[in-house]
Order: sequence, then structure tokens, then C-alpha cells
Amino acid sequence: AQTVTQSQPEMSVQEAETVTLSCTYDTSESDYYLFWYKQPPSRQMILVIRQEAYKQQNATENRFSVNFQKAAKSFSLKISDSQLGDAAMYFCAYRSNRRQAGTALIFGKGTTLSVSS
Amino acid sequence: KAGVTQTPRYLIKTRGQQVTLSCSPISGHRSVSWYQQTPGQGLQFLFEYFSETQRNKGNFPGRFSGRQFSNSRSEMNVSTLELGDSALYLCASSLRQGSMLNTGELFFGEGSRLTVL
Repeated sequence: AQTVTQSQPEMSVQEAETVTLSCTYDTSESDYYLFWYKQPPSRQMILVIRQEAYKQQNATENRFSVNFQKAAKSFSLKISDSQLGDAAMYFCAYRSNRRQAGTALIFGKGTTLSVSS
Repeated sequence: KAGVTQTPRYLIKTRGQQVTLSCSPISGHRSVSWYQQTPGQGLQFLFEYFSETQRNKGNFPGRFSGRQFSNSRSEMNVSTLELGDSALYLCASSLRQGSMLNTGELFFGEGSRLTVL
């Protein structure tokens, strides 16, 4: 069974600084997706960034980028130029691309990010 | 395009009662999945529906059930409520896996927060 581990329950960063959230996962599959989702307090979860396992190039979305190390099964999220609005719980998630697995996501426990001015 | 809509947003029940939660997916999305979010267990996959059929199921007791209607709207039901069922229940929709348009992303609703007393 696949597992996702986020070893940092809480992280903090100052505005305009850079922070990296860690995520490791365990799987025997070679075809899968990895995601970072953001859940602000009392608001809905939204996708931050996604990575297909077959792509070697690290995904980037504006101030958000990932460091995908497939062999090490590591998928960290870097947030550059942090803003107050980045404060949220961040979840790392895994999704198999096997048809039988459907769309089910396996989530890590989450990292609460606080941003100070 | 309207997002995923969940009703009710908040509800309070007592032990032994049952509850039904509703989810309307994004227009055109035919896959609906449900997740339970608790502080202790984090986010856990409940089940996924596509074309009115349950396609995938997580490791939850039979008290948790669901269904999907022909318009892709979904409901989940929890019978004989227990204190431990208190949680935020999230619904997510997506294009069916295998679709060329399917990016693997799930779109989440704001959730239904259930409190069992």
C-alpha cells in the first residue's frame, strides 16, 4: 500500500522569505501523480501544484515549485517570496494512475504553515 | 463555472442517529469522491462514484454508504452515528480517469462539518 509522510507538522516563515515543505512517499508503482494541496482555515482545499511521475522536469507554478526526486521518493514544495495569504495547511498527496485505483488520493498528515509580517 | 457544492455546511447529530450529506460536482465532472478529515487521522478516502456506480472504496465500516444519481450529484450516508464520526466530510469531483482532459486533479467542496454529541 502506498503511504505519504509529511514530517513537519508546523512551519513558519516571514513575508518575502522562502520556505520548503517536505514530503516523502512510498510506492512500488512507476506511474502516478503527486500533488500539493492548500487548505486555508475554514476554506476549501485547492490545488497548488501537480507532478506526473514520468516527467523528470520539476513542476513550477509562479512562486511555487517542487523538487521531485523519484528514486528517493521525495516531493518537496518550495514557496518563494512568501505572502500572508500563503498561511494554510498544506497536504502532499499521491494518486496512482492504475485504472483500478480510480481517482483516490492518499494524503499526508499535513503541514501547517504560518506567515509573519 | 460553479465549483463543487456541499450541503449542509454544518450539522449536529446525536449518537445513534443517521445523517445524509449531499454533493453537487462541477458541471461535466462525472466522478465524485468523498473524504473524511479529522485531526487525528487526517484525510481518508471513503469512496468514489462514477456513472452511478461505486468504483472504489476506502477502509470504512458499512455504516458509511453513498450513491450517485444520473446527474452526477452524490450523497453519502452515515448510519448509527458514533462520536468518532465527528469530522469534516469533503466531496471532490473530477473528470474520469482515462479521459484525455483528465489532469488527475480533484476539485474539492468546502465540506460538511458533522458534530456528533
